[in-house]
Amino acid sequence: SAVISQKPSRDICQRGTSLTIQCQVDSQVTMMFWYRQQPGQSLTLIATANQGSEATYESGFVIDKFPISRPNLTFSTLTVSNMSPEDSSIYLCSVRERLYYGYTFGSGTRLTVV
Amino acid sequence: AQSVTQPDIHITVSEGASLELRCNYSYGATPYLFWYVQSPGQGLQLLLKYFSGDTLVQGIKGFEAEFKRSQSSFNLRKPSVHWSDAAEYFCAVEGSGGGADGLTFGKGTHLIIQP
Repeated sequence: SAVISQKPSRDICQRGTSLTIQCQVDSQVTMMFWYRQQPGQSLTLIATANQGSEATYESGFVIDKFPISRPNLTFSTLTVSNMSPEDSSIYLCSVRERLYYGYTFGSGTRLTVV
Repeated sequence: AQSVTQPDIHITVSEGASLELRCNYSYGATPYLFWYVQSPGQGLQLLLKYFSGDTLVQGIKGFEAEFKRSQSSFNLRKPSVHWSDAAEYFCAVEGSGGGADGLTFGKGTHLIIQP
């Protein structure tokens, strides 16, 4: 299965600032996804990032708050903009591999906004 | 839209005892189902998946799951748990867009292992 490198692993940020999270995959994948896991909660899909097209956002998530880039088939970034304490979460990227391999997840970025 | 229900928020099991974690899904067609485990401070690790065929699927770490269409269930089992199995377990279903919609997760079950 694919190996995903996600950076940073954790960060503490001031409110009102922005943080960009990087996701690097060791193979070319068509579908990449960004999830948020709020403290003690399950995972919620933020958006789907496909190369060559605009990201598709789920209800409750907007591009101005969570801009996503997908410049090629192995890399994506998620920016959390104008942060507030409510953005404190774990953010995970994921890729969908060929059928029967399923979905692989990065190790996550633990974000704390103070 | 698809959904996943994990009715047990917490489960406590003695080490060496058997385990069953429940998962019910709502989906219009044949679902693609997954179980993931998340240890404290870690990412998600895939335990097993079901796409089609044999309804009893084997996974890593001695886990298995059985797909029951009539009950819309995909319960996870292990015959004998180890202290290292203490973690959060998530059941998930793939969206209807051929994978374009990612996964929908249940709320998770927190597994506690008693010595």
